[in-house]
Amino acid sequence: NAGVTQTPKFRILKIGQSMTLQCTQDMNHNYMYWYRQDPGMGLKLIYYSVGAGITDKGEVPNGYNVSRSTTEDFPLRLELAAPSQTSVYFCASTGQGFTGELFFGEGSRLTVL
Amino acid sequence: AQTVTQSQPEMSVQEAETVTLSCTYDTSESDYYLFWYKQPPSRQMILVIRQEAYKQQNATENRFSVNFQKAAKSFSLKISDSQLGDAAMYFCAYRSARGGSEKLVFGKGTKLTVNP
Repeated sequence: NAGVTQTPKFRILKIGQSMTLQCTQDMNHNYMYWYRQDPGMGLKLIYYSVGAGITDKGEVPNGYNVSRSTTEDFPLRLELAAPSQTSVYFCASTGQGFTGELFFGEGSRLTVL
Repeated sequence: AQTVTQSQPEMSVQEAETVTLSCTYDTSESDYYLFWYKQPPSRQMILVIRQEAYKQQNATENRFSVNFQKAAKSFSLKISDSQLGDAAMYFCAYRSARGGSEKLVFGKGTKLTVNP
């Protein structure tokens, strides 16, 4: 199993550009999450989904959008990139009957200049 | 809203020694889960250990153990016989046991350095 796969791993954007971070999991997990990690700030939840067709905002959703058309995929869209969105982004998933273990992707480092 | 606090931004330990990482949390709930995650330089987050709040017995996983003090809302991680591979960021996390909410709240992390 590949687990949780994120692409791209690195990206540099100019202010005002848009892009999509891709996330796919092959574990048939219902729950999927997007976190951002800033130095010294831990992980903050951007958006999450409890199943296909259902998404909800986390702690820091402004400037982002998500969709969940399939169980496997949970892309994160950045519209009008800003320097404040420079961060490392993590996608994670877990199954029903939450045992506590989130399965994380390897992260995507995004720089907005 | 629940919060998780890790008061030690950085810690260091000598190889083969024991180190304890601190975590406190704030919640009004009585049923919840607590976790320690490890993030090595490769960036990928790995679950180290978890504790169910309704269990009084402290969780143990090989060299990793926790000291769970529910009344004090404290959840520290003890790493025994530290190894160079233990060097990483360690994050404490909280999850409510309420159904329909599967979100984890993370602390800011503690960077652990292991000295040879």
